[in-house]
Amino acid sequence: GAGVSQSPRYKVAKRGQDVALRCDPISGHVSLFWYQQALGQGPEFLTYFQNEAQLDKSGLPSDRFFAERPEGSVSTLKIQRTQQEDSAVYLCASSLTVGQGTEKLFFGSGTQLSVL
Amino acid sequence: QKEVEQNSGPLSVPEGAIASLNCTYSDRGSQSFFWYRQYSGKSPELIMSIYSNGDKEDGRFTAQLNKASQYVSLLIRDSQPSDSATYLCAVNTGKTSYDKVIFGPGTSLSVIP
Repeated sequence: GAGVSQSPRYKVAKRGQDVALRCDPISGHVSLFWYQQALGQGPEFLTYFQNEAQLDKSGLPSDRFFAERPEGSVSTLKIQRTQQEDSAVYLCASSLTVGQGTEKLFFGSGTQLSVL
Repeated sequence: QKEVEQNSGPLSVPEGAIASLNCTYSDRGSQSFFWYRQYSGKSPELIMSIYSNGDKEDGRFTAQLNKASQYVSLLIRDSQPSDSATYLCAVNTGKTSYDKVIFGPGTSLSVIP
């Protein structure tokens, strides 16, 4: 596609439910990032994929958070047993190459998760 | 200490004025610096990148980098109401083999007509 696509755009979950958020990056982009953005804050790094390999998951808040990119394209961020503090916008970003230091991140529109 | 810090804002300037946005970072080895603009309810978009000390100009925008002071700034000349947004400073520390970008908390800018 022309840009990074995320779905759903909005998700409301009851506390304790599991959710799955999808990211479809720009075709051919090697790098894929997930960020969490709380209201009024900057994006916080969650995890990074280089093709299908998850090279960095240091930002995942707890073991309830899990991400995958099995074929090196579409990625899914799964949150188990959602809590109210998980309410945020989840942003996916992709970039063409790796380790150039200059790469522009292309962001999707995000998924706004509200946990009631 | 946060890795990337910015003026808390919000910052209000009249139309036509210069808006000055500031950012400091903690990792002295950081190599690449970015300014992203985020309109309310939208995703961030890159507006400037800078890699070496000094100024970089692009239209009404000027990014300034001082690695010795660990300081990055963004100047917006002839501010327009359409510039009203949150400006995110972002840094690639260069510590990883990939382009790990860390964002600051953002500064909200309002340009008053």
